Amino acid sequence: NAGVTQTPKFRVLKTGQSMTLLCAQDMNHEYMYWYRQDPGMGLRLIHYSVGEGTTAKGEVPDGYNVSRLKKQNFLLGLESAAPSQTSVYFCASSPGQWDTGELFFGEGSRLTVL
Amino acid sequence: GQNIDQPTEMTATEGAIVQINCTYQTSGFNGLFWYQQHAGEAPTFLSYNVLDGLEEKGRFSSFLSRSKGYSYLLLKELQMKDSASYLCAVRDSNYQLIWGAGTKLIIKP
Repeated sequence: NAGVTQTPKFRVLKTGQSMTLLCAQDMNHEYMYWYRQDPGMGLRLIHYSVGEGTTAKGEVPDGYNVSRLKKQNFLLGLESAAPSQTSVYFCASSPGQWDTGELFFGEGSRLTVL
Repeated sequence: GQNIDQPTEMTATEGAIVQINCTYQTSGFNGLFWYQQHAGEAPTFLSYNVLDGLEEKGRFSSFLSRSKGYSYLLLKELQMKDSASYLCAVRDSNYQLIWGAGTKLIIKP
């Protein structure tokens, strides 16, 4: 069972470069999320989606864009990377908000911006 | 503002019992979650509490007191594989998850 798959797992960027993180889930979940995790801080929500074709801003959306063209995929883009975006990025999915709310996480993508 | 507090680090001995506390102040409450995260890995779901009381699941139990804004995760018969970070998260009135910074649990033989 693949669950939630993120690519790439590791990436090093130079300031100003752009990149896209891909998240794919095979559980037919409606909700998908992008979080970042930094040392000493809780997971922070960047953007989320409650269904195909919909996206919404989370707690820290600046500098990121997302798209959910297909139900199983949720893309996170950095148009002009900054050192402050060095972090571990986690994608997660859930069936919907009216259940227990258990999130299923991908393995994470470690991004370093020089 | 919304806030989740949990200890940064705890140490316990293999075979013992440890209690990890979590206090919260959030805009509304729609459930509290505990996740386990091993170093370099993704968080995995441990428990969910929405009503006051104790939920038991094998060696792990989670307690909630909504009036006190307090929860704890109890781990019994500690094993070395329990060495991990434990994340407390609260779902607020907008059904958004607010996460604590996590408690790193170190298990010593």
